[in-house]
Amino acid sequence: ETGVTQSPTHLIKTRGQQVTLRCSSQSGHNTVSWYQQALGQGPQFIFQYYREEENGRGNFPPRFSGLQFPNYSSELNVNALELDDSALYLCASSSPGKWADTQYFGPGTRLTVL
Amino acid sequence: DQQVKQNSPSLSVQEGRISILNCDYTNSMFDYFLWYKKYPAEGPTFLISISSIKDKNEDGRFTVFLNKSAKHLSLHIVPSQPGDSAVYFCAASAANQAGTALIFGKGTTLSVSS
Repeated sequence: ETGVTQSPTHLIKTRGQQVTLRCSSQSGHNTVSWYQQALGQGPQFIFQYYREEENGRGNFPPRFSGLQFPNYSSELNVNALELDDSALYLCASSSPGKWADTQYFGPGTRLTVL
Repeated sequence: DQQVKQNSPSLSVQEGRISILNCDYTNSMFDYFLWYKKYPAEGPTFLISISSIKDKNEDGRFTVFLNKSAKHLSLHIVPSQPGDSAVYFCAASAANQAGTALIFGKGTTLSVSS
């Protein structure tokens, strides 16, 4: 069984640029969630995708957008990068059921904005 | 306003002893709770979960206790091992919200000495 994978591992961008992060979900999972983890904080929910549609969104501006593809992989796009966007971006996959299903995380992408 | 709080930033225990990590929450709609462990440069790893219909769940050395009236949960690790040294995150979700967003605490760093 393949776990959640993310690419790239590290990324350095400058303020104002755009970035795309990628995630492949765990085998059998059809839901992908994205989180931002700043230094010294817990992960913060950005949004979730289920069957290629956004299925919930946290308190993040519209310049954070996403996609989910038919194979359940996903992208996180961030436009007009700001210095505060520097963080670890985590992708998690799950398979919805009766209870809020356990989410399994990938290793993350470390984004640095200069 | 933090909905999930881990008030102890760090905890040190000796190998073989019990580790108790605590978590408090404020949102009475939360009905599913999880603990994750995180090593540096890795994504969070799922440890154990509990639904609100239970007050205890065990998995090997790990036991989670839930006190709904106090809005408090704890993770017990017995016996503690040096490999348990990591950051532990408590997370919660509400099944009736759009998208199963996990709300995380800030984490507790556990150090187990041999």
